[in-house]
Amino acid sequence: QQQVKQSPQSLIVQKGGISIINCAYENTAFDYFPWYQQFPGKGPALLIAIRPDVSEKKEGRFTISFNKSAKQFSLHIMDSQPGDSATYFCAASKVPSGSRLTFGEGTQLTVNP
Amino acid sequence: DGGITQSPKYLFRKEGQNVTLSCEQNLNHDAMYWYRQDPGQGLRLIYYSQIVNDFQKGDIAEGYSVSREKKESFPLTVTSAQKNPTAFYLCASMRQGASATEAFFGQGTRLTVV
Repeated sequence: QQQVKQSPQSLIVQKGGISIINCAYENTAFDYFPWYQQFPGKGPALLIAIRPDVSEKKEGRFTISFNKSAKQFSLHIMDSQPGDSATYFCAASKVPSGSRLTFGEGTQLTVNP
Repeated sequence: DGGITQSPKYLFRKEGQNVTLSCEQNLNHDAMYWYRQDPGQGLRLIYYSQIVNDFQKGDIAEGYSVSREKKESFPLTVTSAQKNPTAFYLCASMRQGASATEAFFGQGTRLTVV
């Protein structure tokens, strides 16, 4: 099984702080790295994604940092808000072969007011 | 409204009983997937289908079965052979482009063995 390892399993930050979630992958054929956000009782939804031709991608308060040589990527949430409290999944796949998305184990983020 | 519809939202199964979870999509996606979610284990792939009348086993297919007779529908049957079926089940379809693969998930079905 092609694995994606995610850490930490849970994370608690204060409102206004920075949340950082890390992922590492094994398969060097992966070339697409999305992050999904899941609220309790709901299905995950795409948050932000990156291709390996760039080292960073920013959308609002959310930033992906990508380190191809280390086979690692991370999600940074700036100015974290209580509404960001959710489970976050990293994933990886190879496009455009239509192969499956391989997900990390998930991180439960709690942002305290 | 385009999207993935899963039903029922909650399902209770007795020991030794088969149950079927419904998944319908109107996004016109070819690929559909079933995932199982357990605390601390992420999303584990049960079965997937890239095209009508074809499907492949995922990482934890034992005790499950699927069919793909229509593009819009991908039902999952949890059989009595699945020894620990209590979990949150997620169905997804995927938009597969030249530079990105985006999964669209349903709201999930929570299955409990009673």
